[in-house]
Amino acid sequence: EAQVTQNPRYLITVTGKKLTVTCSQNMNHEYMSWYRQDPGLGLRQIYYSMNVEVTDKGDVPEGYKVSRKEKRNFPLILESPSPNQTSLYFCASKVRDWWDTQYFGPGTRLTVL
Amino acid sequence: KNQVEQSPQSLIILEGKNCTLQCNYTVSPFSNLRWYKQDTGRGPVSLTIMTFSENTKSNGRYTATLDADTKQSSLHITASQLSDSASYICVVSVDGYKLSFGAGTTVTVRA
Repeated sequence: EAQVTQNPRYLITVTGKKLTVTCSQNMNHEYMSWYRQDPGLGLRQIYYSMNVEVTDKGDVPEGYKVSRKEKRNFPLILESPSPNQTSLYFCASKVRDWWDTQYFGPGTRLTVL
Repeated sequence: KNQVEQSPQSLIILEGKNCTLQCNYTVSPFSNLRWYKQDTGRGPVSLTIMTFSENTKSNGRYTATLDADTKQSSLHITASQLSDSASYICVVSVDGYKLSFGAGTTVTVRA
């Protein structure tokens, strides 16, 4: 089944403890992206990647890192999480072109205490 | 300041009725505009996509309109069903890759 998977789906952690949220897609998509969703603010783009080894900042990249070493994986790294990074995170992917439909993962709910 | 504003924030409609959601944007230059449907606890799903040269696009009971001159879009839901209860998100893009999202309109359909 074609899909975008994220792990973990739920995570509670403490301030300053490094964590990684994994994202994987099995559709051979070139483009992948991370978003966070907060009540009243909607979805905001954190980072995106046009292809392997190519990443760009979205609207809210501060406090996050990403890497794209393989086409199928695009992990989101929080080196020193803070409570303001408590949010619902979505990974998404699409083939490549601007008109292609983006497919979203199921979301990761992160709580930083 | 958010470059994509949606209204209303929420609305409640009776099953079988129609409704229209609004999206105003200031993103420039403009490449394309999408409407997404997001069910509670799930990722968004694309409904329609339009470029500046298109002014209407349909997907079943969903019809989106675009006025690139006034930078306004609307999503019309016809003959609403209980399954239409969701958040509807307007997304505008400069280049198809960097995206600006509206905060969404929450639609509740009641029997």
